[in-house]
Amino acid sequence: EVQLVESGGGLVQPGGSLRLSCAASGFSFSYYAMNWVRQSPGKGLEWVSGISGSGASTSYADSVNGRFTISRDNSKNTLYLQMNGLRAEDTAVYYCAKDLGVATPRTFDYWGQGTLVTVSS
Amino acid sequence: DIQMTQSPSSLSASVGDRVTITCRASRTISNYLNWYHQKPGKAPKLLIYGASSLQSGVPSRFRGSGSGTDFTLTINNLQPEDFATYYCQQSYSVPGTFGPGTTVDVK
Repeated sequence: EVQLVESGGGLVQPGGSLRLSCAASGFSFSYYAMNWVRQSPGKGLEWVSGISGSGASTSYADSVNGRFTISRDNSKNTLYLQMNGLRAEDTAVYYCAKDLGVATPRTFDYWGQGTLVTVSS
Repeated sequence: DIQMTQSPSSLSASVGDRVTITCRASRTISNYLNWYHQKPGKAPKLLIYGASSLQSGVPSRFRGSGSGTDFTLTINNLQPEDFATYYCQQSYSVPGTFGPGTTVDVK
């Protein structure tokens, strides 16, 4: 059974940093691209960042480019999102999401339960 | 970035109804269109990918169609568990933008 479990969310002041983690199990982690998708309270969904199976290729939404860094440790089956320079508008539930397959990038077939990040003074 | 729009923004329906939701991309995305639904407090769930392919385990009452810029999700014989918010998403290019959502609630 595929499982994705996020952790690391919490309350942080504007300008602060957080690192989110996503522990994966039940599939060949290193084979699949992984992503972070966020949802602001009561609002829609926004893709944040993605990383290839090997970790060699990454991409970011313009809204976080230069502030957030996605990475993965395939030996630990874990995905990360380092978030620096946090702003109030980064407040959201952050989901990790698995790509369906190599031929279907940015198509998310499994999602974690989400972790809430609140940026406030 | 490719912008996604959906209509209607909400609709009310009854169990057994047929429901249709439309999604439009700001430029052509071939068939790189996915549909998800989300219930309150839960993560989204993939229903349809590639505009018309049914994700494994999803009931066949869900049907997706379209290509280019205009797409449709049809739910036949609406069931109680189908009351949720539905999102389209383009996977043609980065960022994989989502539509604003369509909420299906009980009439």
